[in-house]
Amino acid sequence: NAGVMQNPRHLVRRRGQEARLRCSPMKGHSHVYWYRQLPEEGLKFMVYLQKENIIDESGMPKERFSAEFPKEGPSILRIQQVVRGDSAAYFCASSPLTSGSTDTQYFGPGTRLTVL
Amino acid sequence: GIQVEQSPPDLILQEGANSTLRCNFSDSVNNLQWFHQNPWGQLINLFYIPSGTKQNGRLSATTVATERYSLLYISSSQTTDSGVYFCAVTSTRTGKLIFGQGTTLQVKP
Repeated sequence: NAGVMQNPRHLVRRRGQEARLRCSPMKGHSHVYWYRQLPEEGLKFMVYLQKENIIDESGMPKERFSAEFPKEGPSILRIQQVVRGDSAAYFCASSPLTSGSTDTQYFGPGTRLTVL
Repeated sequence: GIQVEQSPPDLILQEGANSTLRCNFSDSVNNLQWFHQNPWGQLINLFYIPSGTKQNGRLSATTVATERYSLLYISSSQTTDSGVYFCAVTSTRTGKLIFGQGTTLQVKP
């Protein structure tokens, strides 16, 4: 059973460009979480999605950031007009959530975004 | 919201030593996980332990939910144990994890 897949693993963008980060959850998992880790810091929750629904986006910046998890295909975290402060590691986690919020979350390897 | 505090922030050990890492949280939780972030940045699940005690090889963890803390024990430490250890909790129905700031462990040969 493959783990959580993220791509690309490393992404370099110039200021003002768009960044698209992809996450494929573990097989059988229909719940996806995105977290951001700024340099030398812990991880911060961004958004929680189920198929075709955003359930909790309380951690998402109000502008330039969006996320989706379509019926088919991976979850996408999209950052428009990137700035240097967006440079970070972005982690995706998935969970089966068969029993409310008490399931283990499994993390992908992360995408390291560098904005020049 | 819930606060998560980890101690110590930094720890240096000689290979073979034992250590205890602590995680305090400010409210009741329905999920608690320990992770190891290796020097390459990968997050590795260690334990899912909202309560009780679990062991996996040289690692074990105990969560005392009523007293709002969890402990991670590392015995006979090895250089490959180096990295950052994170505790993360959730108390909401959506399951979003709140991470502590981590304990940075360096094991010297």
